[in-house]
Amino acid sequence: EPEVTQTPSHQVTQMGQEVILRCVPISNHLYFYWYRQILGQKVEFLVSFYNNEISEKSEIFDDQFSVERPDGSNFTLKIRSTKLEDSAMYFCASTEGGRVSPLHFGNGTRLTVT
Amino acid sequence: EDKVVQSPLSLVVHEGDTVTLNCSYEVTNFRSLLWYKQEKKAPTFLFMLTSSGIEKKSGRLSSILDKKELFSILNITATQTGDSAVYLCAVEAYSGAGSYQLTFGKGTKLSVIP
Repeated sequence: EPEVTQTPSHQVTQMGQEVILRCVPISNHLYFYWYRQILGQKVEFLVSFYNNEISEKSEIFDDQFSVERPDGSNFTLKIRSTKLEDSAMYFCASTEGGRVSPLHFGNGTRLTVT
Repeated sequence: EDKVVQSPLSLVVHEGDTVTLNCSYEVTNFRSLLWYKQEKKAPTFLFMLTSSGIEKKSGRLSSILDKKELFSILNITATQTGDSAVYLCAVEAYSGAGSYQLTFGKGTKLSVIP
């Protein structure tokens, strides 16, 4: 069964550094999402992306965050200047149509900001 | 603001017990309710519910939705140690401009002891 893949599985970075989290969505999917989960807290929506532009974003997704689909297969989340509170598990997901459900997540990237 | 509340937050049972996990919600433009199981990493999809009163079943797991009272339950019968996980409830809602979002609850941590 096709799946969403994310790299790296774990990223450690220093505060103020830029990080790029990478995702390869399922190949025929058109809608892409990033969610995050701070340790011990709930999964939170960050952003949805369709047709090469952001379709929806949450309050968490401020100017420090950006998303890109640089080629036909990758979908990236960039954090420009990381803060300690950005430490979390970041999940990518994709769907074929506009309906979110059922959303299938990648295995996530654990970001640790020191 | 959309809200999803799960109870209990944690539960410890013995193998063979039956458990019921609860999820109540308040969302605008409700479309569906989903249950996920989260072990070490990504949430894995269990059920999607859109209609009231229709039970979805998969092996020892079953779930039902009540759209009038705005809640859902997830039942697990004859629990096994492999059922130990955090069970997440998420509600899909239409957020405008063709976009949908999932709002997650905090989860119920189920521990099944031999």
